Amino acid sequence: RKEVEQDPGPFNVPEGATVAFNCTYSNSASQSFFWYRQDCRKEPKLLMSVYSSGNEDGRFTAQLNRASQYISLLIRDSKLSDSATYLCVVNFQGAQKLVFGQGTRLTINP
Amino acid sequence: EAQVTQNPRYLITVTGKKLTVTCSQNMNHEYMSWYRQDPGLGLRQIYYSMNVEVTDKGDVPEGYKVSRKEKRNFPLILESPSPNQTSLYFCASSEQGDTQYFGPGTRLTVL
Repeated sequence: RKEVEQDPGPFNVPEGATVAFNCTYSNSASQSFFWYRQDCRKEPKLLMSVYSSGNEDGRFTAQLNRASQYISLLIRDSKLSDSATYLCVVNFQGAQKLVFGQGTRLTINP
Repeated sequence: EAQVTQNPRYLITVTGKKLTVTCSQNMNHEYMSWYRQDPGLGLRQIYYSMNVEVTDKGDVPEGYKVSRKEKRNFPLILESPSPNQTSLYFCASSEQGDTQYFGPGTRLTVL
């Protein structure tokens, strides 16, 4: 089983739709969780950290479910500019390293 | 401006010809890391460094070397590149190893 697993997509959704991604992780001791965004051929950039209580940043909401070992990202009222690959990232406790999922590709259509 | 820089951005080379990809950050971060990104495999960590003169292997260190003589620089060295090292390489830095700031990437082709 991969340490961090994501559905690679691609997901094609119309502008204005709500879209959700899930990501599962294998190490129950994981402490830190993140969503990164990567545009084509560019470097990944932090979208948001994921906290136990869940967190929201504008149209984006991230949730953590420790019992089931998954994190989710919800994008509401999607924009054309949201088209990108979304990377789920987990920091394994004591390992000082981040493990990246392979990414979920999202395309928002006009 | 806070940033991570990498050079070169694009490199085409031949098997066996030693090369170095430089990485520099101006944020005084202690933690730096190298990743490679391949289709279907995502980002995989090659080496990381938690401070000057402290380096450790990531998930795919074979065929690579690193050094950390100064806090701001973390070069990646390929002593004898092979075609399976053709990839997109990213350097990253962070304050404590979690939120990472990535460089713009180096696209390497080994013929």
